[in-house]
Formats: sequence, structure tokens, C-alpha cells
Amino acid sequence: QKEVEQNSGPLSVPEGAIASLNCTYSDRGSQSFFWYRQYSGKSPELIMFIYSNGDKEDGRFTAQLNKASQYVSLLIRDSQPSDSATYLCAVGSGTYKYIFGTGTRLKVLA
Amino acid sequence: EAQVTQNPRYLITVTGKKLTVTCSQNMNHEYMSWYRQDPGLGLRQIYYSMNVEVTDKGDVPEGYKVSRKEKRNFPLILESPSPNQTSLYFCASSVGTGSNQPQHFGDGTRLSIL
Repeated sequence: QKEVEQNSGPLSVPEGAIASLNCTYSDRGSQSFFWYRQYSGKSPELIMFIYSNGDKEDGRFTAQLNKASQYVSLLIRDSQPSDSATYLCAVGSGTYKYIFGTGTRLKVLA
Repeated sequence: EAQVTQNPRYLITVTGKKLTVTCSQNMNHEYMSWYRQDPGLGLRQIYYSMNVEVTDKGDVPEGYKVSRKEKRNFPLILESPSPNQTSLYFCASSVGTGSNQPQHFGDGTRLSIL
């Protein structure tokens, strides 16, 4: 069974700090990686996606991918209380399937 | 406005009574998918469709059916619902035909099967 693993948290960081969220995946052939944010009772919304090894930055968010280590992370700089949510890591598995991690709950303390 | 629309948003029903959850997208996306979300288990893919009339099983297809007769619609059918299908369901769509694109999610349907 192909898996995506995340620490469930909660990860608590003070306002203004950097939050680091991590995800590992088991399917070495995976080529596409996604981070979604999900507020309680709401639907997932896309934060970032990354296909190539290295870093990809978008505003306060940076996605980092290391395919050799099967590891993808999301950094949130200058964390705000509004960033408090569950962050879902998703991996494109095979040609058509997506596999999601169970999510990491982030709490940004004001 | 680009969106994925699911109906109903909430449904309480009884075991064995057939139900359909509708999903419609207005973005001309090729790929559509259904997920269920349960505490501690995350989002699990039920079925997906790469194109009209083309569907395939995800990781948890038992007890569900789907059809894709039109590009914009992808209904989820529970022929004989059981309590273990009580869950939060999401429909999603993405451009392209494979799992290499970000997905847009509907607002979710909370199903309770008594």
C-alpha cells in the first residue's frame, strides 16, 4: 500500500515565526507533490505544488522536495494566526491516483 | 466563478436507501474524483474519471458507483448505504487527465447513514 505520512501535530509556533511541515512518501515513482490547507469544516484549498527537486517559493510559502529521500516539506514564514489550519500533503501516485497524508494541524499563537 | 458544486451539503438517511451525491464543475476539467474524509484516516480516493465515460477505482471503492456521461458531472451513487459510509465526502476536479495537476475541491457533503 503506497503511503504518505505526516505528523498529526498539533505544531504550535508563535506569531511571526517559521512553521515547518514535513511529509514523507513511499512511492519512489511519484512525480507530483501538493500542499493543501484545510480549515475546520471546510474543503482543502491548494497552497503550492512542486514537481522538481529543490525549493519553490510563493510569497510566505516555500515548498521543498527531495526525491532521493522521498521527502517534501512546506515552510511558512512570518506565520499568522490565520495560518492556523490542517495542512495536507498529497502525492500523485501512478498516472491517475492521488494519495493524501492525514494532515498536520498547525496552531499559530498570537 | 470557477467552482466545483456538490449537492446535497448535508444528508441524514437510513441503511439501504439508495442515494446520489451530485458533483458539477464549470472549468471544463477532464479529471474528476471523489474522496471520503474520516478522522485519523485523511482523504481517501474512492473513484476517479480521466475523461467522459472513463472511470476507475481509487483506494476505497467498495459500496460506491460512479458515472461520467458528461464532462461537467460526476455523480457518486450509494446503492445500498451502510453506517460505515458515514463520512465527509469531497468531489474534486483538475485540468489534464492524470494525477499531475492541482485539484479544485467542492465544499463537501456530510453524509450520516443510520
